[in-house]
Amino acid sequence: DQQVKQNSPSLSVQEGRISILNCDYTNSMFDYFLWYKKYPAEGPTFLISISSIKDKNEDGRFTVFLNKSAKHLSLHIVPSQPGDSAVYFCAASAVPWDKIIFGKGTRLHILP
Amino acid sequence: DAGVTQSPTHLIKTRGQHVTLRCSPISGHKSVSWYQQVLGQGPQFIFQYYEKEERGRGNFPDRFSARQFPNYSSELNVNALLLGDSALYLCASSLGGFSNQPQHFGDGTRLSIL
Repeated sequence: DQQVKQNSPSLSVQEGRISILNCDYTNSMFDYFLWYKKYPAEGPTFLISISSIKDKNEDGRFTVFLNKSAKHLSLHIVPSQPGDSAVYFCAASAVPWDKIIFGKGTRLHILP
Repeated sequence: DAGVTQSPTHLIKTRGQHVTLRCSPISGHKSVSWYQQVLGQGPQFIFQYYEKEERGRGNFPDRFSARQFPNYSSELNVNALLLGDSALYLCASSLGGFSNQPQHFGDGTRLSIL
């Protein structure tokens, strides 16, 4: 029973273009949503979060959009850079930083 | 400042054995969470501890247990190891309470069961 779904296992984007990573969730109790980035042999690194009272949060090149009615969120990276090549995990929780539920991840390849 | 540190980095055990994994949180962090990540999946929540008390438990069997010490470090114990326990075990720390500061992960312990 996957409560957080990332349906694209991988995504390839040209350097300089926009990368859009998508995530769907099923549990309507989730109020906090996060994106983590993971390089091989390292732990996940927190990127950006959004609470359910907002529909957009921006931090530099990273923007997260939340559509509560559709139970969908997306991460936009613009412009995409070579160092953005990594696995991106979408995650959610009902309470901030409690029992965080992760998706399976999307591997992003930035092409030169 | 040191990040979250986990030990050991790699471990090989055989079925039926017991294992203890250790985690030292970032200084000042009072909450520690443990996750299991098997190949091709996202991290799966096992336990969360805050101020030495269990605050949450994921859907794992009783063979999995954990504790948090007065210095906020933590141990994850797994008894009667099965082949399916082979995974990367991640520890994450945060300030805890109702803080909005994010969890920070260590680099994990890679556990292989033969």
